[in-house]
Amino acid sequence: ELKVEQNPLFLSMQEGKNYTIYCNYSTTSDRLYWYRQDPGKSLESLFVLLSNGAVKQEGRLMASLDTKARLSTLHITAAVHDLSATYFCAVDPSGGYQKVTFGIGTKLQVIP
Amino acid sequence: DAMVIQNPRYQVTQFGKPVTLSCSQTLNHNVMYWYQQKSSQAPKLLFHYYDKDFNNEADTPDNFQSRRPNTSFCFLDIRSPGLGDAAMYLCATSRAFETLAKNIQYFGAGTRLSVL
Repeated sequence: ELKVEQNPLFLSMQEGKNYTIYCNYSTTSDRLYWYRQDPGKSLESLFVLLSNGAVKQEGRLMASLDTKARLSTLHITAAVHDLSATYFCAVDPSGGYQKVTFGIGTKLQVIP
Repeated sequence: DAMVIQNPRYQVTQFGKPVTLSCSQTLNHNVMYWYQQKSSQAPKLLFHYYDKDFNNEADTPDNFQSRRPNTSFCFLDIRSPGLGDAAMYLCATSRAFETLAKNIQYFGAGTRLSVL
C-alpha cells in the first residue's frame, strides 16, 4: 500500500523567511503533484513533477523530485501572507492513470 | 471559466435521507473521480470512472454509489447518509495517459455536505 508522508504538518513562519516542506512516499513512482488548498475551497494544481531530478518554479515556490530517495520538496522563498494555505503532495504510481494518493497536507501560516 | 462544475456547493441532508451530488465537466476528459475530504484531512479517493468502467476503492462503503450517464456528467449517491459522512466531496477529471506535460487532475469547487 502506497504511503505518502508530509512534514511538517503545520508551519508558521514570518514573512520574508524561507522554508521547505517535505514529501516522502513508499512506492516507486515517477509522478508527483503539488496542490494548494485555501480554507473551504477546492484544490489548485501547482506543480507536476514527472522525472527524477525534475525542478519546477513558480513565483516564490519551487518543487523538486528525487525518485531514488522517494522524496519531493516544496521550497518557499521569502514567504508572503498570500501563500498561507494547505499544501498537499500527491503520488501517482499508476503510470499516467492519475489514481493518486495524497499526503495529509501541510498547513502553512505566514505571519505579517 | 469553470471546467469542472459541482452542484450544489452546499448540501444539507437528514440522517438516513438519500442525497445526490452532481459533477459536470467541459474538458471531455475520459476519467472522473470522486474524493471525500473531511476536515483537516487529505482527500480520499472513493471511486473513479475510466470512460464507462467503474472502479471502486476497496475501502469505500457500500453506502456510496456513483453513476456516469455520459462523458460530461458524474453523480455521487449516498444512500443513507450518516453523521460520519459529513465532509467536502470533490470531483476531479483527467485524461488518462495524456502527454506528460498535461498530466494533471482538474478539481471542481467541491460540495460541502452536512448531515443533521
